[in-house]
Amino acid sequence: DAGVTQSPTHLIKTRGQQVTLRCSPKSGHDTVSWYQQALGQGPQFIFQYYEEEERQRGNFPDRFSGHQFPNYSSELNVNALLLGDSALYLCASSRGLAKNIQYFGAGTRLSVL
Amino acid sequence: GIQVEQSPPDLILQEGANSTLRCNFSDSVNNLQWFHQNPWGQLINLFYIPSGTKQNGRLSATTVATERYSLLYISSSQTTDSGVYFCAVVSGGGADGLTFGKGTHLIIQP
Repeated sequence: DAGVTQSPTHLIKTRGQQVTLRCSPKSGHDTVSWYQQALGQGPQFIFQYYEEEERQRGNFPDRFSGHQFPNYSSELNVNALLLGDSALYLCASSRGLAKNIQYFGAGTRLSVL
Repeated sequence: GIQVEQSPPDLILQEGANSTLRCNFSDSVNNLQWFHQNPWGQLINLFYIPSGTKQNGRLSATTVATERYSLLYISSSQTTDSGVYFCAVVSGGGADGLTFGKGTHLIIQP
């Protein structure tokens, strides 16, 4: 039973570029949440997708957008990259509401130069 | 939004010692999870414990929801226990995303 998988594992971009990160949820899960973890900090909630719609959003600008596909996999897109977007991006999946257990992938480490 | 505070921020112990990590939260919660983040960034689920007590080997956790705190106990520490421990919650009436504390950085010395 595969867990949550994320790709790519590492990514280097320059300021102003756009990036797409991908996540496949754990088998049997239908909800995907994205988090940003800056160095030395705890992860921060970006948004959550369920039934192909954004259900909840944290305090992140519109440059951060996402998508969920019919097979429950998800993408995180970040436009007009800033140096401050350099972070570990984590995807979590759960079954139904987020009060249920969330399981995390290994993350994508994004460096913006 | 809900606030999550973890203590202590840093903890250095000798192998074999016991430790208690604390998580205080400012509102009622629907979900409380403890994670161990390894040096490669992977968040490993330790406990899902919005209330009550659970044990898994050398680890145990207790959440007193009415008093808004949770404790993680690690007994007979091993060097592989080193890393950052996070407490994360989903508030009872708020967003469905997890709100994380800043973590406790645990170092177990041989």
